[in-house]
Amino acid sequence: GAGVSQSPRYKVAKRGQDVALRCDPISGHVSLFWYQQALGQGPEFLTYFQNEAQLDKSGLPSDRFFAERPEGSVSTLKIQRTQQEDSAVYLCASSFQGGGTEAFFGQGTRLTVV
Amino acid sequence: SQKIEQNSEALNIQEGKTATLTCNYTNYSPAYLQWYRQDPGRGPVFLLLIRENEKEKRKERLKVTFDTTLKQSLFHITASQPADSATYLCALDAGNNRKLIWGLGTSLAVNP
Repeated sequence: GAGVSQSPRYKVAKRGQDVALRCDPISGHVSLFWYQQALGQGPEFLTYFQNEAQLDKSGLPSDRFFAERPEGSVSTLKIQRTQQEDSAVYLCASSFQGGGTEAFFGQGTRLTVV
Repeated sequence: SQKIEQNSEALNIQEGKTATLTCNYTNYSPAYLQWYRQDPGRGPVFLLLIRENEKEKRKERLKVTFDTTLKQSLFHITASQPADSATYLCALDAGNNRKLIWGLGTSLAVNP
């Protein structure tokens, strides 16, 4: 596609519900990143994939957060048993290589846990 | 701990003037630094990347400097326009060539 696509754009979940957020990166991009952005804050790193390999998941806040990229393209970020503190915008970015190159971001998914 | 600071207050300038945004960091030795623009409800958009061995980089009306001694980057927009109004974020590589560490961003408003 022309850019990074994320879906859904908005998600309202009841506390305790599981959610799945999808990211379609730019075709051919090796690297894929997930970030969490709270209102008025900069993005916070969650996890990084190089192709299908999850090379860094040090930013995932708890074991309720899980990400996968099974075929090295589309990625899914899953949050189990959502809590109110999970409310944020979840951004996906892809780049042709790893660090040191331009990252292309999607529009994000705004998650609100009520 | 590792820390990145950007201008804490919103910046308001008149159209045609030069906007200067600051990014300071501590406890880091980044190999590169990036600047992004973010509009409300959108993801960040890449503007410029500068490496540790580069002092200055330009792109059209944008200029970035990188002083590894002062641990500071300055981002300049010359001949500013109302369309430049946005939040500008600086991001550093975390040393493992993978994730970026981000500042909080500086809100810029260019008044016509």
